[in-house]
Amino acid sequence: EIVMTQSPATLSFSPGERVTLSCRASASISSSLAWYHQKPGQAPRLLISGASTRATGIPARFSGSGSGTEFTLTISSLQSEDFGVYSCQQYNNWPLTFGQGTRLEIK
Amino acid sequence: EVQLLESGGDLVQPGGSLRLSCAASGFTFSGNSMSWVRQAPGKGLEWVSVINHAGGGIVYRDSVKGRFTISRDISKNMLFLEMNSLRAEDTALYFCAREVPAAGTQPFDLWGQGTMVIVSS
Repeated sequence: EIVMTQSPATLSFSPGERVTLSCRASASISSSLAWYHQKPGQAPRLLISGASTRATGIPARFSGSGSGTEFTLTISSLQSEDFGVYSCQQYNNWPLTFGQGTRLEIK
Repeated sequence: EVQLLESGGDLVQPGGSLRLSCAASGFTFSGNSMSWVRQAPGKGLEWVSVINHAGGGIVYRDSVKGRFTISRDISKNMLFLEMNSLRAEDTALYFCAREVPAAGTQPFDLWGQGTMVIVSS
């Protein structure tokens, strides 16, 4: 099973700041990496697929990069609605696996 | 409206059974692979099982193999998860999720709101 490790566990930033989240796979997953955003009491929302392709309707302030085992999600200018948990997921191997999530708090 | 709506979650004793359902609407249900993903209280997301657009290609995570059965009724736009021999560690919010319609395994672009399963005596 491929283990996905996200860092840090919690982040706290002010609106307008640039935020970078990391995700590491225990083995190469090529570019089969997705990022999700989840607010309390809500279902996850797909942000990024293929490591760097924004999903439909996702603002341009979200960008993804990386391949192999190291991946990054960047929010170029944090908005208040961006708080919540960000999770990465690999879909290169079975079982599909998710990271434990990074909680983003707005100062 | 494009949506997934889960139902069937409940409080059940260890060793018991439940059948979860997921009603799809607003899109061509037969065009997508579908999965069940769960989230234990305060924990991360955990993929459970997948079924392809035609009802084949079924895969389970090891911890539920032999206990859970995924199925779908394309004529009724429904996805199911039959859960037997339930354990405390199966306690979670269960989401049904739609894969992006493309070749190969894809991420999930549509999720339901989830149905809660609690396994406790």
